Amino acid sequence: AQTVTQSQPEMSVQEAETVTLSCTYDTSESDYYLFWYKQPPSRQMILVIRQEAYKQQNATENRFSVNFQKAAKSFSLKISDSQLGDAAMYFCAYTGTYKYIFGTGTRLKVLA
Amino acid sequence: NAGVTQTPKFRVLKTGQSMTLLCAQDMNHEYMYWYRQDPGMGLRLIHYSVGEGTTAKGEVPDGYNVSRLKKQNFLLGLESAAPSQTSVYFCASSYEGFNEQFFGPGTRLTVL
Repeated sequence: AQTVTQSQPEMSVQEAETVTLSCTYDTSESDYYLFWYKQPPSRQMILVIRQEAYKQQNATENRFSVNFQKAAKSFSLKISDSQLGDAAMYFCAYTGTYKYIFGTGTRLKVLA
Repeated sequence: NAGVTQTPKFRVLKTGQSMTLLCAQDMNHEYMYWYRQDPGMGLRLIHYSVGEGTTAKGEVPDGYNVSRLKKQNFLLGLESAAPSQTSVYFCASSYEGFNEQFFGPGTRLTVL
């Protein structure tokens, strides 16, 4: 069975600094997708970034980028130039078919 | 487009009562999902549907039933509510299994 592990329950970052959130996963499937979702205090889940496993190039969306290490089954999220609006719960998610598996989340605090 | 909507947003039930949560999407998505979110446990899949008239069990299906009579609607039913079902419930939909999931705003359910 596939699993997703986020080992950092909480992280803090100073405004304008860079922070990396960790995610590891376990799977025997060769074709899959990985995602990072953001959940601000409003509770609305928002897609941050998506990575296809067959692509070697790391995905990037503005200040958000991932470090995808397929052999190590690692998928970390880097947030550059952190802003107060980045404060939220961040969930790593995996899908190999049409069922998603979510990690337990990392709460990110941004300090002014 | 309204995206994914959920009704109601909040509900308080007494043990043993029944209720139905309604999820509606206007994006013509084939796939729809129901999750529950509990503190420290991320999102867990309750039931899902890969098309109109189909449903399947997810990770935590006990105590819940679902129906998808119309493509745009996915109903989650609790026949006899228990305090263990106190949670925040999210509905999501996607065009295909590997695609981004779009989430509703959530329903906070309290069972006394």
